[in-house]
Amino acid sequence: DQQVKQNSPSLSVQEGRISILNCDYTNSMFDYFLWYKKYPAEGPTFLISISSIKDKNEDGRFTVFLNKSAKHLSLHIVPSQPGDSAVYFCAASAGGATNKLIFGTGTLLAVQP
Amino acid sequence: DAGVIQSPRHEVTEMGQEVTLRCKPISGHNSLFWYRQTMMRGLELLIYFNNNVPIDDSGMPEDRFSAKMPNASFSTLKIQPSEPRDSAVYFCASSLGPGPEAFFGQGTRLTVV
Repeated sequence: DQQVKQNSPSLSVQEGRISILNCDYTNSMFDYFLWYKKYPAEGPTFLISISSIKDKNEDGRFTVFLNKSAKHLSLHIVPSQPGDSAVYFCAASAGGATNKLIFGTGTLLAVQP
Repeated sequence: DAGVIQSPRHEVTEMGQEVTLRCKPISGHNSLFWYRQTMMRGLELLIYFNNNVPIDDSGMPEDRFSAKMPNASFSTLKIQPSEPRDSAVYFCASSLGPGPEAFFGQGTRLTVV
């Protein structure tokens, strides 16, 4: 049972435009959400996170939005750059005594020059 | 710090052989995770240690898989006997907390023929 879902396996965007990556979750106990970026032959690297007490967190070109009622979060990249081309993983944590992360299946973003 | 170090980077083995993957977490981190990346399931959590103690091994696929963490600076994931369906990229990650952000190694690409 996939608790964190990324329903779009891939996304193609023109350079300079907005990239929107989506993620849905089913476990209402999740209280912390993260986005990771992964280049080929490398490990995932942490990009941005959001606590469930917030609905938006911004870091430069990256903004994450959380809609708890819909159990949905999204990552916006504005403006998109060719170097943003990578696989993006959404992850969630239920916090408490455990800080394990549950990941989605990833979305491959291709930013076209 | 050099980050999370995994070895080997690539492993090709024959079906039925024993495979041991190794991980050195970031010094001072108290949590260690083993993940497996596949196209179908994305990043799948196999096992999670906290202060060298296995906390959650519910993701370990079957008894052929075992993991140990004899001390704070070393962990192994062993597959015995290996099967072709075990072919995947295996990642080790570590974290310090209190947030769940985890830092990943570069992964071990395992091919079982």
